[in-house]
Amino acid sequence: EVQLVQSGAEVKKPGESLRIACKTSGFTFTTYWIGWLRQMPGKGPEWMGIIYPDDSDTRYSPSFQGQVTISADKSINTAYLQWSSLQASDTALYYCARLVNWVDYWGQGTLVTVSA
Amino acid sequence: EIVMTQSPATLSVSPGERATLSCRASQSIDTNFAWYQQKPGQAPRLLFYSASTRATAIPARFSASGSGTEFTLTISSLQSEDFAVYYCQQYNEWPQTFGQGTKVEIK
Repeated sequence: EVQLVQSGAEVKKPGESLRIACKTSGFTFTTYWIGWLRQMPGKGPEWMGIIYPDDSDTRYSPSFQGQVTISADKSINTAYLQWSSLQASDTALYYCARLVNWVDYWGQGTLVTVSA
Repeated sequence: EIVMTQSPATLSVSPGERATLSCRASQSIDTNFAWYQQKPGQAPRLLFYSASTRATAIPARFSASGSGTEFTLTISSLQSEDFAVYYCQQYNEWPQTFGQGTKVEIK
């Protein structure tokens, strides 16, 4: 069974760093693109970036380039989304997802709240 | 970046009635297009890919069509579990983009 299990909700202060995780199982991690999406309340999902874990080829959406870092550890079948300095505007629900051109599997989402 | 525009924003439908949702792309995307359903507190679920190919376990009351810039999702007879938000997505080019959603609510 394909599963993408994300790390739990986070509450952080502006300026803090954060890394959230997406642990995968049930498929060969290194042969699929894995991506991260942001969903703001009442809005559609937005792609942040994608990574191909076999060679760590990474592509970012222009809106998120330089704002976040996407990485993967193929030894533990896990993808990561990282911020070096969070802002209040980063408060959102974040999903990881598996791509086969379209998204066929989603993680359950990680709520990130950034507040002073 | 390709802009996906969904209409209407909200669709009020009675159970058993037909619902038709539309999505327009700002440029041609051939059939590199998908539909998703999202219920409150859940991740989106894939309904269709390649514009009209039904995903696994999606009931036959759902159908989809379109190519180029115009796409349609039809639910022939709405069931209680179909009331949700529906998103369209293009995967013709990076970054892939989603529409803003159509909420199907009970009339």
